[in-house]
Amino acid sequence: DAGVIQSPRHEVTEMGQEVTLRCKPISGHNSLFWYRQTMMRGLELLIYFNNNVPIDDSGMPEDRFSAKMPNASFSTLKIQPSEPRDSAVYFCASCGTGNTGELFFGEGSRLTVL
Amino acid sequence: AQSVAQPEDQVNVAEGNPLTVKCTYSVSGNPYLFWYVQYPNRGLQFLLKYITGDNLVKGSYGFEAEFNKSQTSFHLKKPSALVSDSALYFCAVRAREAGFQKLVFGTGTRLLVSP
Repeated sequence: DAGVIQSPRHEVTEMGQEVTLRCKPISGHNSLFWYRQTMMRGLELLIYFNNNVPIDDSGMPEDRFSAKMPNASFSTLKIQPSEPRDSAVYFCASCGTGNTGELFFGEGSRLTVL
Repeated sequence: AQSVAQPEDQVNVAEGNPLTVKCTYSVSGNPYLFWYVQYPNRGLQFLLKYITGDNLVKGSYGFEAEFNKSQTSFHLKKPSALVSDSALYFCAVRAREAGFQKLVFGTGTRLLVSP
């Protein structure tokens, strides 16, 4: 199994630009999670999906952030417009039905907003 | 609400010595507890979990964790540390909200193993 695949691994952009981060979960997993990691705030859960439906987006910092999961094998996290304070590593993770909670994480997307 | 606390930002240990990374939890009902490790520039990797059964849980890379219900703790341990164990360690608890499961992570503890 290829694991959770995220792209891009690194993104450098200028303030005000749109950023789209992508995630392909492990095949057969029905829950998908987006996390953000910073030195100041640690690991924060932004949003999670179950069977492609957003369950809890209370961690999304503001309206500039949006996430979609159009099908079981793909999800996006979009920031528009981006700001320097959005600079962080964004992780996607997935887990399967009946799983006792073990999450499988991607390698992360490191975002730098100048 | 379900939560975990990792009281130490950093733990320093010499190679070959035993190590302990602390975690305490607060849950309603039976806890499902986890440890994850994060190496530099990598995603989190699952180490071990406690669901039920023996209080001593064995996991990857020689790590183990001891579940202590009376102390509401789930400390991570290893008898003999390696320099390669240096990483960021996260404790987590499974939370059930609105019928769905999610993991709530602690703030992380950086382990530094010196040669």
